[in-house]
Parts: sequence; C-alpha cells; structure tokens
Amino acid sequence: GAVVSQHPSWVICKSGTSVKIECRSLDFQATTMFWYRQFPKQSLMLMATSNEGSKATYEQGVEKDKFLINHASLTLSTLTVTSAHPEDSSFYICSAIGGADRNTIYFGEGSWLTVV
Amino acid sequence: QQPVQSPQAVILREGEDAVINCSSSKALYSVHWYRQKHGEAPVFLMILLKGGEQKGHEKISASFNEKKQQSSLYLTASQLSYSGTYFCGTERSGGSNYKLTFGKGTLLTVNP
Repeated sequence: GAVVSQHPSWVICKSGTSVKIECRSLDFQATTMFWYRQFPKQSLMLMATSNEGSKATYEQGVEKDKFLINHASLTLSTLTVTSAHPEDSSFYICSAIGGADRNTIYFGEGSWLTVV
Repeated sequence: QQPVQSPQAVILREGEDAVINCSSSKALYSVHWYRQKHGEAPVFLMILLKGGEQKGHEKISASFNEKKQQSSLYLTASQLSYSGTYFCGTERSGGSNYKLTFGKGTLLTVNP
C-alpha cells in the first residue's frame, strides 16, 4: 500500500518555541492531506485539511495562527506548532488519500510532541 | 458529529470472536475501520462504501447498513496480534472530501 512518512517521530521543545512536523507521501502524490491530534487514550480529532497549493481548511476551534500548515508540494505537508505550550503536547498524525486506490486513507507513523 | 462505538472495551481469549459496532445519527457515505496499537499510528483495515456492503480481510470482516447508519466489525478466531484500539471513521458528505470523524475507540485485549 501507499506509504506516508512523518518526521520527527519524537520531539521535545521548550515553551514558547516553535516546532515543525513534516508529512510526506513517499510513493504517490497527495493533493490532500489531513492533520489530526490525539491525546492519550482519546480519539483522533481532525485539526485541518491541507490542500496542495492553497490555504488549509481548519476545523472549528483550531487556531490557524497557532497551527500553521503548508502544503507546498504534492508530496509534502508541514505542520508548525507556534509558541508551543505544555497543553499542546500530544500525538500528531497526518494522513493522505493514497495512490492507486483513492478510497483509502493512509496514516503516517505519528509524531509525539512534548512541550516542557 | 462523532459516531458512537460499542463496546468501549472487550477482553477475549485467543480464538474467541468479537463484534464492534459503530453507529451514527447522521446519514453516512462511507465507514472506515482502523486498528491502533499503543504509541503507534492507526493502521487501515477496510473501507465500506455502499449500504449493505460487506468486506473481509483475513479473519476480520465488516458490514455497513446504510439505512441504519451502522457498521459492525467482526473478528473471528481472534489472535494475540488483534489486540489494540479499534476506531471507526465515518464520512458524511458525498465522498468528495474524505473528511473522517472518528469514534472514541474500542479497546480490544486478546489474552493467551
């Protein structure tokens, strides 16, 4: 199946700093990628839809100025958490509609963010 | 609106069967099933697109009743590797945006 890769897998940053998470589709082009956040033992919550070449569409309650999304190419979307705070600590996962089967949504490996 | 999954948790012995249900109060276009191991990303199991559709993947199968807005995941002769949290993701619109809303998950534990 299609492969979606995230980097970094783990990141620890200080409060007030920014951190960037990359999501790459390795063997297919993804015009649309999705960013989710998952707190421990909870469900995946959609944060935003990332569209190649255009602005991301954010879900209600998600601050677009805090969670910057850039989808500059057909294989890369980035999520930047700006001015991070401890409450932003979470598991961030991206997904993309994949490859030959456009009905399948593939998830990246996820990125653990800890803000200290 | 978030779909409702039941049960919240289930414990099985290896070889036993289980059913996980997912229901929505809104009309559904598709239902996606994923399994997530602790600390890992969800792994795609299957997608059901049509009302009444049934699909199978090894000993894991699922059904989708479009009229009842429900889907069920069937795990037969469970294996230790089946342990994890199962999520259903539902798509409400006409399939044009693939935005999924996930249930709270069902924690499945398979013991020897």
